[in-house]
Amino acid sequence: QVQLVQSGGGVVQPGRSLRLSCAASGFSFSTYAMHWVRQAPGKGLEWLSLISYDGINKYYADSVRGRFTISRDNSRNTVHLQMNTLRAEDTAVYYCASPAGGSYYSGFDYWGQGALVTVSS
Amino acid sequence: EIVLTQSPGTLSVSPGERATLSCRASQSVRSNYLAWYQQKPGQAPRLLISGASSRATGIPDRFSGSGSGTDFTLTISRLEPEDFAVYYCQQYGASYSFGQGTKLEIK
Repeated sequence: QVQLVQSGGGVVQPGRSLRLSCAASGFSFSTYAMHWVRQAPGKGLEWLSLISYDGINKYYADSVRGRFTISRDNSRNTVHLQMNTLRAEDTAVYYCASPAGGSYYSGFDYWGQGALVTVSS
Repeated sequence: EIVLTQSPGTLSVSPGERATLSCRASQSVRSNYLAWYQQKPGQAPRLLISGASSRATGIPDRFSGSGSGTDFTLTISRLEPEDFAVYYCQQYGASYSFGQGTKLEIK
């Protein structure tokens, strides 16, 4: 069955960096685009970033462009989110998600379990 | 950026009754690329509907989606106790964006 298992959350000071990882299994990862989405405490969902199946094309929300970097390792079925220059407003649960059929133009049918990132001094 | 506005913010309905949730887009959603998700506390979102009206795998037929252009609706025909949750719409036709959510609570 499809699984997305996340790791890498935690508490970090403002201005520091953190890397999230998402290990995929149960589907043909190397043919799927992948997304990151976050949810601040008590708030709604915010799309953050998309990476193409081959890692060549990357897209970002304005709120994180220039600070966050998405990447993938198809040999390890893993997608990463490198988060630099973190701010208090980046505090959230971060989810990786896979689109149905791997397409850009699909809803997100599988989600990781979420990783809490807390930015605080 | 396409802004999605969901209404109402909170909807109080009794089990067994029908719930109707609305999602309005600031501009037309390309090819009706509109999805609905259910989220329960402490859980990841669950895809219910994609393409405005297609149920995802394993979703009961009491969930239905409709609409086109800028106005979309999620209808839950006979509410079960497990349906009380927060619901989000999402467009994926022009980048990606989510509505702010509708909380469906027990009346």
